[in-house]
This record gives sequence, structure tokens and C-alpha cells, in this order.
Amino acid sequence: AQSVTQLDSHVSVSEGTPVLLRCNYSSSYSPSLFWYVQHPNKGLQLLLKYTSAATLVKGINGFEAEFKKSETSFHLTKPSAHMSDAAEYFCVVGSANTGKLIFGQGTTLQVKP
Amino acid sequence: DAGVIQSPRHEVTEMGQEVTLRCKPISGHNSLFWYRQTMMRGLELLIYFNNNVPIDDSGMPEDRFSAKMPNASFSTLKIQPSEPRDSAVYFCASTPQGVSDNEQFFGPGTRLTVL
Repeated sequence: AQSVTQLDSHVSVSEGTPVLLRCNYSSSYSPSLFWYVQHPNKGLQLLLKYTSAATLVKGINGFEAEFKKSETSFHLTKPSAHMSDAAEYFCVVGSANTGKLIFGQGTTLQVKP
Repeated sequence: DAGVIQSPRHEVTEMGQEVTLRCKPISGHNSLFWYRQTMMRGLELLIYFNNNVPIDDSGMPEDRFSAKMPNASFSTLKIQPSEPRDSAVYFCASTPQGVSDNEQFFGPGTRLTVL
């Protein structure tokens, strides 16, 4: 069975400081992992994805995530937060067998001026 | 490409009424997913289709919910009769079949309010 756990329901940072959103996964085989972002009253947009290629994945808007198999983690980072980064972020594990995505509960990122 | 299209964007109805939500997937995508998002339960997969055939409807909450995909370019999610607890944002997503990385493309959602 696959599952994903986002370790923080809410993260608050100041503009210009680093962002870290934590995610741990559970999978019986090599997973596909994603981060999606949802801005208020909007649909979900793919930030980045890991599919067993490079372990450090770069996404849009300066975000990146590192796949660490030994820690079963896929944390999302950004060196410097912008006000426009304030949104809900979802860590997701994909099932190659079924095509289904399993979503974490989400982390709300607040960016203070 | 217009992306995944959902209609209506907002729906307000009274308890007991029938509600139909519509989705047009991205052309060429063979898998379609319906999700429901609420504050309490987050994002839940309701049902998904491969090549217009329902594959897994285990997330459909009860018999009041039904979904169809009559052709590759159209799907509906129907609630009959609707109840206030059905109030949520409903998302449709599509993905190309055979894409091993399973990336899904989401529509803008339909915000349903049942009074």
C-alpha cells in the first residue's frame, strides 16, 4: 500500500527567507512523487515530479525537491519565498499500477511581508 | 490547448435537487478522474475512468452519486438528491494513458453549495 504524510499542516515564513515543506511517503516499490500547488479558489497545478531519474528535481517558480530513499522523504524547498508563493501545497504519490494519485493532507504556506 | 474544462464553475442549489457537473478532458487523454475537496476531508478521489470505462468507484460516497463517461471528450458527475453535506469543490482531472509518471492535469473545479 502507498501513503503520503505531510508533516506540517501550516508553515509561516517571512518574504525572502527559505521555504521547507516536509513530506514522507510509503511505497512498496519505486514511487512516482509529485508536488502540486493550489492557490486560493484555483485548481491544482503541478510544481514538479520525480520519476526515478535525478534525485534532485527542479520545478517551476524556483521550487525544488530531493528524493531520499533512505529517509522515504520528498521535501519541497525554495531558497527565497515570495508573497505569491502563499498557497496550499500537496505532496502526492502515484501508483504506476492503477494510475491513481494519493494526496497528502496539504500544507498551507503563509508568507509574511 | 484549453486544458481540462469544467462547468459550471459555481452551483448553488437547494437540498433535494439534482445536480450535474460536467467535465471535458484534454484531447487525447484517456484517463479521467473526479475528486472532491472539503476542509474536513481534504482531496478525495471519487471515481476514475480509463478509455471511458469506470475502473474504480470505491470513493463514491453513496448511491446518490453517479458518474458517466459516454465518450472520450465528456464526463458527468450527478448527485441526486443533493444534501448540504455534499457542498464542496469538485475537480476533474485527466492524464494520457500509458504515461508512467501519472501526472494529472486538473480543471478549475466546480464549487457546489447545497442549501
